[in-house]
Amino acid sequence: NAGVTQTPKFQVLKTGQSMTLQCAQDMNHEYMSWYRQDPGMGLRLIHYSVGAGITDQGEVPNGYNVSRSTTEDFPLRLLSAAPSQTSVYFCASKNPGQGFTGELFFGEGSRLTVL
Amino acid sequence: GEDVEQSLFLSVREGDSSVINCTYTDSSSTYLYWYKQEPGAGLQLLTYIFSNMDMKQDQRLTVLLNKKDKHLSLRIADTQTGDSAIYFCAGGEAGTALIFGKGTTLSVSS
Repeated sequence: NAGVTQTPKFQVLKTGQSMTLQCAQDMNHEYMSWYRQDPGMGLRLIHYSVGAGITDQGEVPNGYNVSRSTTEDFPLRLLSAAPSQTSVYFCASKNPGQGFTGELFFGEGSRLTVL
Repeated sequence: GEDVEQSLFLSVREGDSSVINCTYTDSSSTYLYWYKQEPGAGLQLLTYIFSNMDMKQDQRLTVLLNKKDKHLSLRIADTQTGDSAIYFCAGGEAGTALIFGKGTTLSVSS
């Protein structure tokens, strides 16, 4: 198993550009989520999904869109990038079922800089 | 919702014990977790404790849970330079989002 795969690993954007961060997992996890990590702020939840076709907002959803058309993929879209969206983005998934500990499995992160 | 607080920095000498502390607000969390993040990498689960336990030991790691005070701690015995990393406390239900603290940067000097 590859686990959680994020692409790209690095990206530089200009203000106003749009882009999509890709996330794929091969563990058949129903739950997937996106966090951003900023110095001194820890990890903050952007959006999450409890299954295909179902998404919900986290703590900091503004400026981001998500969709979940398959169990495996959970892309994060930046509609019009702003310098405040410069961050490291992590995708994470888990099996939320009974008998599981709820451990989140993380990708290696996507480092985004918006100029 | 859940709020998780932890101190930001801890500096220890190699061979000493490290204790990283965390407080949380939501007593309904079924599990409480400790994650480790090494430089330039994602987070990896270090250990977890079920909410009806007071203590869990796993080799050099000891997790203590004080449910009355909503306090969680991680003790690393015989700390090594390879333990230098950011440690995150997190809480939540198995089926919902995990809420993370801001992370404690552990610096180990030789």
